[in-house]
Amino acid sequence: DQQVKQNSPSLSVQEGRISILNCDYTNSMFDYFLWYKKYPAEGPTFLISISSIKDKNEDGRFTVFLNKSAKHLSLHIVPSQPGDSAVYFCAATSNFGNEKLTFGTGTRLTIIP
Amino acid sequence: EPEVTQTPSHQVTQMGQEVILRCVPISNHLYFYWYRQILGQKVEFLVSFYNNEISEKSEIFDDQFSVERPDGSNFTLKIRSTKLEDSAMYFCASKGDRGDNEQFFGPGTRLTVL
Repeated sequence: DQQVKQNSPSLSVQEGRISILNCDYTNSMFDYFLWYKKYPAEGPTFLISISSIKDKNEDGRFTVFLNKSAKHLSLHIVPSQPGDSAVYFCAATSNFGNEKLTFGTGTRLTIIP
Repeated sequence: EPEVTQTPSHQVTQMGQEVILRCVPISNHLYFYWYRQILGQKVEFLVSFYNNEISEKSEIFDDQFSVERPDGSNFTLKIRSTKLEDSAMYFCASKGDRGDNEQFFGPGTRLTVL
């Protein structure tokens, strides 16, 4: 039951360009979405989040866009830097039920110098 | 900056043995979680814990699993009789308040069951 999907297992982007990572969800009860970054042998690190009452949230080089009607969100990183190379997980949760996070399968982002 | 810590970083055990994975959540946090990630798969929810009791558990969290907060700082996950398929990275997470949504993760414990 893949309630959160990241259809691109990997992505390579030239340094300085924009990285766009995508995520789709199926559960209409999800109303809060998060992006986590993960390096090998480390735990997921919180990056940025967005509530369903918004369609955009920006924090420095990172912007998350939410399209509720399409049940789609995306993470934009601009400009991309070599240190951004990691696995990025999309996660979703519901404010009105349990608070567990449901994760996507992740996208491995490689920034090419 | 406060962080979630986990010990050990790597645990190797024989099938059928009991293991206890330990976590120290961020000190003023009230909600605690365990997740696991089998190699090559996504991070999966196991259990959430609040006010000294389990608030939700997944299908994975069967009778072989238990959680405990034995004192004011530690949060443990016990697997009573490990199986080969329990081999995974186990992550502890915590969050501060019901109004918060961001969970903060520890570095994980790699459990290898032989």
